[in-house]
Amino acid sequence: AQKITQTQPGMFVQEKEAVTLDCTYDTSDQSYGLFWYKQPSSGEMIFLIYQGSYDEQNATEGRYSLNFQKARKSANLVISASQLGDSAMYFCAMREGLSGNTGKLIFGQGTTLQVKP
Amino acid sequence: ETGVTQTPRHLVMGMTNKKSLKCEQHLGHNAMYWYKQSAKKPLELMFVYSLEERVENNSVPSRFSPECPNSSHLFLHLHTLQPEDSALYLCASSQDNYRPTDTQYFGPGTRLTVL
Repeated sequence: AQKITQTQPGMFVQEKEAVTLDCTYDTSDQSYGLFWYKQPSSGEMIFLIYQGSYDEQNATEGRYSLNFQKARKSANLVISASQLGDSAMYFCAMREGLSGNTGKLIFGQGTTLQVKP
Repeated sequence: ETGVTQTPRHLVMGMTNKKSLKCEQHLGHNAMYWYKQSAKKPLELMFVYSLEERVENNSVPSRFSPECPNSSHLFLHLHTLQPEDSALYLCASSQDNYRPTDTQYFGPGTRLTVL
């Protein structure tokens, strides 16, 4: 079974509108971390936002917010006021607490976001 | 230089060549990672180093040989590669590697083509 599922291979959004990228995860750990990364066509993986499993508040970083619904095991990324520079691939990732000292991140397949002018 | 840097950015090599990828982090982190990103596949963790000791080898073929001489530098030595090894190789670092909160910061990657 996939640990991280991103069901939207591609998304379009109009400039200045908000968009939600979906991510569901599967773990039996109580302690885990959820991450979102942005990968432009240049290839570098840019860290956007982090949510811990024990965090009661949804994480926010500027125009990025994470809609964390623990019972549903979902961690959707919301981008407000989309900009043309937001066009990229977006990856959801999880770090399980029981992965020991490997620090292993499990990535989803990614969602390609295109922002239309 | 800031963050995580990788050289070269692009590499084309034949199956009999030997080459090395270099990663350097300027963040004062203790853990470093190599990932492989193939087309249409999720990122795959290859190796993890913590304080210069290898703590994870994710069933990577021996034609990939990592080296971590100090906590700021990480190398990936390549020899007798196969065309299916063509991919984007990403290096990352984090403060430590044992907490779920340890955020990994990535370099720009090396795009490798094996002919």
